[in-house]
Parts: sequence; structure tokens; C-alpha cells
Amino acid sequence: DAMVIQNPRYQVTQFGKPVTLSCSQTLNHNVMYWYQQKSSQAPKLLFHYYDKDFNNEADTPDNFQSRRPNTSFCFLDIRSPGLGDAAMYLCATTRQGGTDTQYFGPGTRLTVL
Amino acid sequence: SQQGEEDPQALSIQEGENATMNCSYKTSINNLQWYRQNSGRGLVHLILIRSNEREKHSGRLRVTLDTSKKSSSLLITASRAADTASYFCDYSGGSNYKLTFGKGTLLTVNP
Repeated sequence: DAMVIQNPRYQVTQFGKPVTLSCSQTLNHNVMYWYQQKSSQAPKLLFHYYDKDFNNEADTPDNFQSRRPNTSFCFLDIRSPGLGDAAMYLCATTRQGGTDTQYFGPGTRLTVL
Repeated sequence: SQQGEEDPQALSIQEGENATMNCSYKTSINNLQWYRQNSGRGLVHLILIRSNEREKHSGRLRVTLDTSKKSSSLLITASRAADTASYFCDYSGGSNYKLTFGKGTLLTVNP
């Protein structure tokens, strides 16, 4: 059974049109992460939640926001997508963080027209 | 966490051969983890090795850690076409919630 689910798997949006990506987990993990991965590059951490505590990476653009309404769900909002935001967006979870294994979802491929 | 750097960036081998990829890092670590990413998919955790361990096995995977050289290697024995993927390393402290990946090694196993 899938443990980290991302919807949709493929998202197409227009330049400047807000988009929301969804992640849900059945593991009851405390920590949820969002990564951005561009072609042939390493995943880059955007932010993470430890329970309700939000932690933004210093170089994450203001264009990216996140919400975690409950333990199971976490959303990535891109307020005004630019062409440079086209990428794979990966969600991951860990039980407590630190040395815990991260469990990744399959990703959402975002295309910006 | 601190970034690990994988080497080589790309590796192409024939099915049945062994594949070795390396990871170097810059500061002291508590543990090091290896992840695999198949094309267009999420990452999958492969193995974790702690700083007081020198070698660890999991199926066809063997990981070594040399803290004096600040390096780790991942060996995949008797490779299969299904091993074709990118392999990333990361190391993190016990209280650090973050993983930060290097660019990875793209392994291609030709049938």
C-alpha cells in the first residue's frame, strides 16, 4: 500500500497561474518535507514541517508556500509559477527526523506553459 | 545536514558486472545514508551506515565507510538492468531533520 501519496502526478499550469500540489501520508510521521528537483539535478529542500512547526530554507523563494492542516496532509502552493519553476516536486516524511529514514512519494511533475 | 558529493557522475556497465560509486563529505558525521532514484520517481532509502561502522551489507549492496578519509562507497554486485537509476548519498547529524543531496551518480546497466 502506498505510504506517501502525491497528487496529481502530472500538473500543467500557465505562467503566473497559482497551483497547489498535494501530499498525504499514512505513516503518522511527525516530519514532512517538500523538495524541488530539476532535470539531472539533486533534490533541493524547500521547507519542512515538524508537526505544525514550519521551517523554511533560507534560499526558498517567497513564491513557494506550504500548509499542513493536519498530520496526514501537506500542501505546496506556488503563487505565481514562472518557467523556472518547472520541475519534479517530491514530498517525503520521517517519523522524528534526524537519522530516521525518509520515505518519498512518487513526485509531481510540474509543467509551466 | 552537510552535502555529500558522489563520484563518478555517470557510470555505464554490463549486466552482471559490479558497480562502485563513491561519496565524499567535508565534516564529521553521525551516519551516512544512500538513496536510489529511478527515472521520474521518488527516492528510495537503500542503507544507513553509522560512523562507528566500517562496512554494512544488504542483499547485493555493500557499503563501506572510512571516516579518516571522509568517504563512503556503495558497491552493487551482479548488477541487473533494474539497478539502472541515480544514486545519492547524504549524511546528517542526530538532531538535524534535513537531508541535502549531492548531484548523484547515474548508473546505467546494459542488458
